[in-house]
Amino acid sequence: DTGVSQDPRHKITKRGQNVTFRCDPISEHNRLYWYRQTLGQGPEFLTYFQNEAQLEKSRLLSDRFSAERPKGSFSTLEIQRTEQGDSAMYLCASSFSSLYGYTFGSGTRLTVV
Amino acid sequence: KQEVTQIPAALSVPEGENLVLNCSFTDSAIYNLQWFRQDPGKGLTSLLLIQSSQREQTSGRLNASLDKSSGRSTLYIAASQPGDSATYLCASGNNDMRFGAGTRLTVKP
Repeated sequence: DTGVSQDPRHKITKRGQNVTFRCDPISEHNRLYWYRQTLGQGPEFLTYFQNEAQLEKSRLLSDRFSAERPKGSFSTLEIQRTEQGDSAMYLCASSFSSLYGYTFGSGTRLTVV
Repeated sequence: KQEVTQIPAALSVPEGENLVLNCSFTDSAIYNLQWFRQDPGKGLTSLLLIQSSQREQTSGRLNASLDKSSGRSTLYIAASQPGDSATYLCASGNNDMRFGAGTRLTVKP
């Protein structure tokens, strides 16, 4: 097991385009989290899954954002009609339970031009 | 909603100094408090996890403490080295951990 994997590492897109990111958690972890981080700030919570169920969504997750975790394994985060304000690092983390802390992936850096 | 604050925002010290980073949180009903390190442009690396029932954890030159009653945690770094230069983040919460903005540490040779 090589930890949490995120793909792609970098994405440059034109404003208005749709983008999708993928996260593969540690295999035995049933919880998966998405965060967004802008320059100089700490990560901001977006959403989390327990198995395939999306149990919480932040108000930051506007209608243009959607996340899925089919079959409780990998997860995707899609942003529709991207805006320049969406430019950020998108981080994925997984955990075995809320008692054992998070393991983060390397993130996907999105630049909207 | 949990709010996490880290002080100072930035810290510069000469190599060899011992230092303390501070983290405060508003909701004491937490499961965990976790400290992370982040290098520029990279993801987060977990340093120490303190579970709710614990008061401190140690790993090498790092020691983290947790005082739930006062809503505070500290990260102590002994004998700092230039390689310790990074941003240090604390996170607290239950199913949706919330982060502080981090302390940017620079250790000068």
